[in-house]
Amino acid sequence: DSGVTQTPKHLITATGQRVTLRCSPRSGDLSVYWYQQSLDQGLQFLIQYYNGEERAKGNILERFSAQQFPDLHSELNLSSLELGDSALYFCASSYRTVSSADTQYFGPGTRLTVL
Amino acid sequence: AQTVTQSQPEMSVQEAETVTLSCTYDTSENNYYLFWYKQPPSRQMILVIRQEAYKQQNATENRFSVNFQKAAKSFSLKISDSQLGDTAMYFCAFKGTYKYIFGTGTRLKVLA
Repeated sequence: DSGVTQTPKHLITATGQRVTLRCSPRSGDLSVYWYQQSLDQGLQFLIQYYNGEERAKGNILERFSAQQFPDLHSELNLSSLELGDSALYFCASSYRTVSSADTQYFGPGTRLTVL
Repeated sequence: AQTVTQSQPEMSVQEAETVTLSCTYDTSENNYYLFWYKQPPSRQMILVIRQEAYKQQNATENRFSVNFQKAAKSFSLKISDSQLGDTAMYFCAFKGTYKYIFGTGTRLKVLA
């Protein structure tokens, strides 16, 4: 158990809908990262937050947004969902920012299925 | 642009044997970090080993060790005494100044 929690574990929804994925980082970690892993693919970095502020952005679609709250948990919002958004969404956390040496620890992921 | 390449999509190894997974990367940065993550069928991402680029000594974690060749930009993972539980997808990852970049993975199957 990495100490990173993600809810829900599974999510099934329809095209055009909006969903919110939630992540709680390890105790004491200030950075949260979001990744997308499509079937049998590698991980695509989406976005990173550090202590409530956006710090780095990857290949995140405009339909997707995220935020990190004062209690350091983070939410990833996916809207106008398309079939191609079906994937495993991982959250990871680390103590410091992306520019430091800290290792990321991953949550168990949320499997999103868009029908 | 920084890239990470894993040229072996799939590999297999007999139980108790040794296997080496390859990873090459491209970067113009001098200070960076390299990781190997394991993703078993449960899909959980598990850190296997980490290497700081400024360290010449290769990292080792029990049966897992790396061969880090900075000039060649190569970072291979050696698994000794392979066990059935090592069956998983293995991802090489690079971390420079900014974001993490992951390779496409190598699917390793340990055969009984």
